Amino acid sequence: DADVTQTPRNRITKTGKRIMLECSQTKGHDRMYWYRQDPGLGLRLIYYSFDVKDINKGEISDGYSVSRQAQAKFSLSLESAIPNQTALYFCATSAEGSYNEQFFGPGTRLTVL
Amino acid sequence: GDSVTQMEGPVTLSEEAFLTINCTYTATGYPSLFWYVQYPGEGLQLLLKATKADDKGSNKGFEATYRKETTSFHLEKGSVQVSDSAVYFCALSGSGGSYIPTFGRGTSLIVHP
Repeated sequence: DADVTQTPRNRITKTGKRIMLECSQTKGHDRMYWYRQDPGLGLRLIYYSFDVKDINKGEISDGYSVSRQAQAKFSLSLESAIPNQTALYFCATSAEGSYNEQFFGPGTRLTVL
Repeated sequence: GDSVTQMEGPVTLSEEAFLTINCTYTATGYPSLFWYVQYPGEGLQLLLKATKADDKGSNKGFEATYRKETTSFHLEKGSVQVSDSAVYFCALSGSGGSYIPTFGRGTSLIVHP
């Protein structure tokens, strides 16, 4: 079984809809991250969490929110989706003291029409 | 702030050719350096890493040496295969006490038979 899972894997939605992307991990890591990937722009950090009570904004948090429901679960929400949020979204985890090596999920491809 | 600069792709090679993908970085202090690989339709996975100056990371025939004097971490492979076709990301972490990773924009590698 995959260590970091994301649901859904693909989602098509309309402008203005609320969307939630979910991430679960079985690696026992405290640190979790949400990134978006756009062609030519690489990975950009949206939010990160170093433990259940810790939530931090990343480089591009506007239009997004997150919830850390448990050590193993970290959800990303788009409160009112817009077309420029069409992208590939990745969840990742890392362990404290590991030089912050990232373990990625398989990604969610989101299309906002 | 921290930054990672990679050569732009795509890099197109014939099978068994020599590969170099350049990566330079700007950071405070002595970060750890990483190469991640993203195969089509998958999330990123760690390819190799180096945690201090002059360290050489290696995996699957790929190598990269942490060069503090030139702030570089170039990825090399002596003989590429079609199965190496993927997007390669250079990244750093641990700069100035921060454990937020910084990624380059990625370099696409296409290997022809």
